[in-house]
Amino acid sequence: SQQGEEDPQALSIQEGENATMNCSYKTSINNLQWYRQNSGRGLVHLILIRSNEREKHSGRLRVTLDTSKKSSSLLITASRAADTASYFCATRKIPSGTYKYIFGTGTRLKVLA
Amino acid sequence: DTGVSQDPRHKITKRGQNVTFRCDPISEHNRLYWYRQTLGQGPEFLTYFQNEAQLEKSRLLSDRFSAERPKGSFSTLEIQRTEQGDSAMYLCASSPRAGVDEQYFGPGTRLTVT
Repeated sequence: SQQGEEDPQALSIQEGENATMNCSYKTSINNLQWYRQNSGRGLVHLILIRSNEREKHSGRLRVTLDTSKKSSSLLITASRAADTASYFCATRKIPSGTYKYIFGTGTRLKVLA
Repeated sequence: DTGVSQDPRHKITKRGQNVTFRCDPISEHNRLYWYRQTLGQGPEFLTYFQNEAQLEKSRLLSDRFSAERPKGSFSTLEIQRTEQGDSAMYLCASSPRAGVDEQYFGPGTRLTVT
């Protein structure tokens, strides 16, 4: 089963609004990554947050990580129609011994113009 | 600057046939991953190569699946005796080296088994 679970499964907002999606995971991790996937295409890496970081920013993206709750959130501010995509979190458990990255089920974001 | 490329982009095959997909990672990326993704789900790990060595393979990968990465450059994923349940998007990703966790994904090969 997937380690990461995103919430909500789907989100529809108006252009200019903020979008928040959450990811929960089950094991200890070294870092957590967020990826975006436009319809039917490959994934694009957005941001990586390490286990010793609590918050990270990249442009209109803000990611938080709470290792005690094993959860992360991705905030997209001032959303645009081009942000319409599916968003996935990905983790790899530690201690390592595995190269397996586990992706969540994704949040499908729709930004209405 | 070329990204990860995959060939073919689409493949339609009849049940029982063998198919082979190719992935060309970003030059000098020594780590390569294969994933499978079905509709509405996230990518599911299949296998991992470091240079030419296949270091990990998912337990979900049946004996009908095999992957190679000769000379540590491009990789192939072969599915023998395809089944309808194999219909999915097959994604390849590469990463430059140990300690760099970001993966660069190709556009995928969409397989339809009829």
